[in-house]
Amino acid sequence: EDQVTQSPEALRLQEGESSSLNCSYTVSGLRGLFWYRQDPGKGPEFLFTLYSAGEEKEKERLKATLTKKESFLHITAPKPEDSATYLCAVQAGYGGATNKLIFGTGTLLAVQP
Amino acid sequence: DGGITQSPKYLFRKEGQNVTLSCEQNLNHDAMYWYRQDPGQGLRLIYYSQIVNDFQKGDIAEGYSVSREKKESFPLTVTSAQKNPTAFYLCASSPLFRRAGNTIYFGEGSWLTVV
Repeated sequence: EDQVTQSPEALRLQEGESSSLNCSYTVSGLRGLFWYRQDPGKGPEFLFTLYSAGEEKEKERLKATLTKKESFLHITAPKPEDSATYLCAVQAGYGGATNKLIFGTGTLLAVQP
Repeated sequence: DGGITQSPKYLFRKEGQNVTLSCEQNLNHDAMYWYRQDPGQGLRLIYYSQIVNDFQKGDIAEGYSVSREKKESFPLTVTSAQKNPTAFYLCASSPLFRRAGNTIYFGEGSWLTVV
């Protein structure tokens, strides 16, 4: 069964304290791995798509990496405005025309000033 | 501005009542989706549609219905058969399927509460 697991469930950082969020997955045929940011009461905001092992993408203080079993979202020198829930999702499966996403339960990040 | 518009933002449903959540997109996307989000759980797929007048059940379709009469619109009806409808509902859209994967974009969500 396709599965996505995120850790930790919650993370509290001091402003400027770098860290990483983990997303491990077991799927039959990865077609893409996605990172989203979600603020309370809002819809998820797209951050990155990664397609193959070894791929990396960056945006401001965020950097996403991908291996054959997991992805990391590295946060460098975070600021309070980076506080949010970060969601990981995968698209999987060969054949069958679907873009269905399988989501993890998210990591709630709190950055204190 | 291009995007996905969901309405209403907050909706209250009485026992035994059907309610409909609206979703409109002007991104010219072929595919549209409805997800449900509950505390402590990942987003779960209710229904999706890849073309007008066609849609498929997701993982938790029981108690829900949809229609896709126009490319830009994908309303979701929560029927009285849905026993636990209180949740945050998210509409999404994406370009048509590609083997390399397609980014799915989300609306701002609708809160449904049973009273």
